[in-house]
Amino acid sequence: DSGVTQTPKHLITATGQRVTLRCSPRSGDLSVYWYQQSLDQGLQFLIQYYNGEERAKGNILERFSAQQFPDLHSELNLSSLELGDSALYFCASNRNTGELFFGEGSRLTVL
Amino acid sequence: DAKTTQPNSMESNEEEPVHLPCNHSTISGTDYIHWYRQLPSQGPEYVIHGLTSNVNNRMASLAIAEDRKSSTLILHRATLRDAAVYYCILYQTSYDKVIFGPGTSLSVIP
Repeated sequence: DSGVTQTPKHLITATGQRVTLRCSPRSGDLSVYWYQQSLDQGLQFLIQYYNGEERAKGNILERFSAQQFPDLHSELNLSSLELGDSALYFCASNRNTGELFFGEGSRLTVL
Repeated sequence: DAKTTQPNSMESNEEEPVHLPCNHSTISGTDYIHWYRQLPSQGPEYVIHGLTSNVNNRMASLAIAEDRKSSTLILHRATLRDAAVYYCILYQTSYDKVIFGPGTSLSVIP
């Protein structure tokens, strides 16, 4: 158990819909990272937050947005969903020691 | 973009040592070398990291070249549970994007 909690574990929705994925980092971790992993693909960095502020952006689509709340949990919002958005979405947290702790992921299926 | 290059895949026999190479020729003096692995249907997990000296822990050993332009993750006795994708990444505490490359898919043959 990494200490990072992601919900929901599985989500099935239709094209055009909007979903929210939630991540609770390990206690005391200020940084949250979001990654997308499509079938048989590598981990694509989406975005990073540090203590509530956006710190870095990767290949995140404009239809996607994220935020980190004062209690340090983070949400990734995916809107106008397309078939190609079907993927595993991972959240990770760290404490600037370098070691990233990943959650078990949220598997999104868009039909 | 990933700053490391690794072979796409490798095979090992069970109970034999495995040496997984990683090239990072553009490494800077403050980059740490981190290794993660991802078992099927799971999130990546931290394996080991180092800066200049070789490192050992209960999971693996990390051998870092003297010029730091390459490193090798060593699994001393491969087991079937070690079959995974292994990622080598560079990390700085001041560098906010943590980019993963394609990694090396390790197969372990019984």
